[in-house]
Amino acid sequence: QKEVEQNSGPLSVPEGAIASLNCTYSDRGSQSFFWYRQYSGKSPELIMFIYSNGDKEDGRFTAQLNKASQYVSLLIRDSQPSDSATYLCAVNGGTYKYIFGTGTRLKVLA
Amino acid sequence: EADIYQTPRYLVIGTGKKITLECSQTMGHDKMYWYQQDPGMELHLIHYSYGVNSTEKGDLSSESTVSRIRTEHFPLTLESARPSHTSQYLCASRKQGDSPLHFGNGTRLTVT
Repeated sequence: QKEVEQNSGPLSVPEGAIASLNCTYSDRGSQSFFWYRQYSGKSPELIMFIYSNGDKEDGRFTAQLNKASQYVSLLIRDSQPSDSATYLCAVNGGTYKYIFGTGTRLKVLA
Repeated sequence: EADIYQTPRYLVIGTGKKITLECSQTMGHDKMYWYQQDPGMELHLIHYSYGVNSTEKGDLSSESTVSRIRTEHFPLTLESARPSHTSQYLCASRKQGDSPLHFGNGTRLTVT
């Protein structure tokens, strides 16, 4: 089992819909959780981070964390074609180590 | 916006050459990282540093070396490049604690 798992996709949603991206992790001691967006050929760009159980909203993005179930999700409201990218989930267990998932490819259809 | 810079952006070199990939950040971050990423694949940690004169190898076996003589500078060196080193190299830095990583634009290396 990988330490951080994501469905590789592609996840296709119509423009204006809500895109829901999920991530599960294996280390119960993980303390901080991050979502990055990566366009093809570019470097990862931080979208959101979350440390506590519950929801955290920033504009069209909402991160949701459930430590008991060991999953973190990212919701993108009013999806736009420009949101089409690979979304990386990263988890930190309080050490130097940031573990990245393989990413979910999102396609927003105009 | 993160201020972390990588040069060169693209590099094509022949087998056996020695190369240094540069990474600098102006944020005063103590923690710096080098990741390797092949197209469509996950990021693999190859080196990290907690601060000046502190460097450690990451999870991915790498023939590269790093140095951290100044806080802002974390170069990565390949003594003898091989085609298997062809990849994208990403430098990142962060503050203390559980703060997020901020990435540079990356160096895309091709070894012929």
